[in-house]
Amino acid sequence: AAGVIQSPRHLIKEKRETATLKCYPIPRHDTVYWYQQGPGQDPQFLISFYEKMQSDKGSIPDRFSAQQFSDYHSELNMSSLELGDSALYFCASSLEGDSGNTIYFGEGSWLTVV
Amino acid sequence: GENVEQHPSTLSVQEGDSAVIKCTYSDSASNYFPWYKQELGKGPQLIIDIRSNVGEKKDQRIAVTLNKTAKHFSLHITETQPEDSAVYFCAASPVVYSGGGADGLTFGKGTHLIIQP
Repeated sequence: AAGVIQSPRHLIKEKRETATLKCYPIPRHDTVYWYQQGPGQDPQFLISFYEKMQSDKGSIPDRFSAQQFSDYHSELNMSSLELGDSALYFCASSLEGDSGNTIYFGEGSWLTVV
Repeated sequence: GENVEQHPSTLSVQEGDSAVIKCTYSDSASNYFPWYKQELGKGPQLIIDIRSNVGEKKDQRIAVTLNKTAKHFSLHITETQPEDSAVYFCAASPVVYSGGGADGLTFGKGTHLIIQP
């Protein structure tokens, strides 16, 4: 079965640079989530989109922004990168339905800021 | 907002024995409780989930129980095998059933499960 696809898998950026991560949800899924996971930490919810509109916001820094496009893929844009932004970034997707939504995660994008 | 506590942080069991991981949550509006298994460098893999209209759910060697009154839920793994070794996360969220999108999951801090051969 198709899973959540994230790209790139690894990314190295310098401080103050900008990075963009892409996410392709499972086909037919209408909701996309972004999470950040630091080393040894639990995933922290950043932001979610339902039908191309922002539906919930977590601990996303003001330097970060995201959007969901007409084909349901999503991009997370990170500007003025800091060393502390180094983490594994996960995208997840779900399909809202009367039985509730089961959330599936991608394999993540490793961001290293040097 | 929601707060999820998970215990223990590390659990070591002999192969073949059972493992139990417990979580509590704070927000009575939460009604969806998934469990994820995460191997090093990989994404969280959903292994089982339960919704608030169900008290217990089982899938082969894995079971989850939910006590909404006490706001706690537990993962039970029986007949543990070496490949069960990983970090396990519990999570909670409210689920909007129609037209409103979905809130993000709040995760517990994770349990490092070690299966001793």
